[in-house]
Amino acid sequence: GDSVTQMEGPVTLSEEAFLTINCTYTATGYPSLFWYVQYPGEGLQLLLKATKADDKGSNKGFEATYRKETTSFHLEKGSVQVSDSAVYFCALSDRGGSYIPTFGRGTSLIVHP
Amino acid sequence: NAGVTQTPKFQVLKTGQSMTLQCAQDMNHEYMSWYRQDPGMGLRLIHYSVGAGITDQGEVPNGYNVSRSTTEDFPLRLLSAAPSQTSVYFCASSALRDSGTGELFFGEGSRLTVL
Repeated sequence: GDSVTQMEGPVTLSEEAFLTINCTYTATGYPSLFWYVQYPGEGLQLLLKATKADDKGSNKGFEATYRKETTSFHLEKGSVQVSDSAVYFCALSDRGGSYIPTFGRGTSLIVHP
Repeated sequence: NAGVTQTPKFQVLKTGQSMTLQCAQDMNHEYMSWYRQDPGMGLRLIHYSVGAGITDQGEVPNGYNVSRSTTEDFPLRLLSAAPSQTSVYFCASSALRDSGTGELFFGEGSRLTVL
């Protein structure tokens, strides 16, 4: 079945540091890939998405590129801020397989001033 | 545009009590689902529905019932609450794959404590 593996946290960074959160997936069909963000005390919200190979999703300074050859969708940001402290979830929705979205376990990011 | 609305936001129950968590969406989404989120466990799917009159079990369905009488509403019922059901519950909806990318829209969550 489909699966998503993302790096365990917490990831602790200083403000303005570079961020990478790794995400790899397995899917039988043609998945769309997503990063969701959950700020403290809130629900999840879509951060960015990519629907086909080589697409780059971007939002709020975050980027992720859909790499079919390495089955990866790593999240990056060049300079993190304290306000980026949150839990980040990688997910896929496999249009060629089950329509039930598959989530990674989430990675907590803590950014210190 | 309200999106996905969950009520209540907070609830405290005693063991054995029953309650219903409400979820409504105004985006005409076919797919609706309930998750629970526990520390260190990520999101776990409880039940889901692909349309009115159709429901199915997810990863952790025991102790929960759902129904889908309309496209808009997908309530989650706890018939006899147990302390193990203390959690944060999220409702989420999506257009099915043929009409969308599969992006999920989440409610703000319902924090349930069972004493």
